Amino acid sequence: AQSVTQPDIHITVSEGASLELRCNYSYGATPYLFWYVQSPGQGLQLLLKYFSGDTLVQGIKGFEAEFKRSQSSFNLRKPSVHWSDAAEYFCAVGVSGFQKLVFGTGTRLLVSP
Amino acid sequence: EAGVTQFPSHSVIEKGQTVTLRCDPISGHDNLYWYRRVMGKEIKFLLHFVKESKQDESGMPNNRFLAERTGGTYSTLKVQPAELEDSGVYFCASSQQSTGNYGYTFGSGTRLTVV
Repeated sequence: AQSVTQPDIHITVSEGASLELRCNYSYGATPYLFWYVQSPGQGLQLLLKYFSGDTLVQGIKGFEAEFKRSQSSFNLRKPSVHWSDAAEYFCAVGVSGFQKLVFGTGTRLLVSP
Repeated sequence: EAGVTQFPSHSVIEKGQTVTLRCDPISGHDNLYWYRRVMGKEIKFLLHFVKESKQDESGMPNNRFLAERTGGTYSTLKVQPAELEDSGVYFCASSQQSTGNYGYTFGSGTRLTVV
């Protein structure tokens, strides 16, 4: 069965420091991968997605993610974190003819001054 | 364009009561999805409508949950009777027929608390 693992429940990063959020997936076919962010009181917002091609994907808000098939990973990165990045981040894989998403449990990012 | 609208934003009900959640998708979006996040767990798929038809309801937990999308516009998700384990955040999403989950837009969710 398809699954997504986000091993870090909470991460605290100093403002201005770099960030990497980990995501591993289990899926038999070519994965379609997504990162979403949920800020307090907001809905889930799509940061970026990978379907094919270049394995380094650029997203909104200065985020990027790299697809590594050999490691079944799709880690999210940002070179310099801003206080407004504090939120919960979800990795997901698209399945069932791309009409359904399987999510990880999320990583809550805290940004310290 | 208006986004996906869900209401209420919060609901607190007693065990055994009935609650109805509503989702208004983006106008013109044929696909409508319901997801749920129980506290501390992953966001899980509940069901998928294409227009007014249920395309996939494999994620519905049990027969206490009833989803409808009359006329292919807004959708309701009724929980009757509610149990404590139904507490969580219920998300709705919509997309155009041609894009599937490539082009999901999520609502801000309804936080349901059953006491």
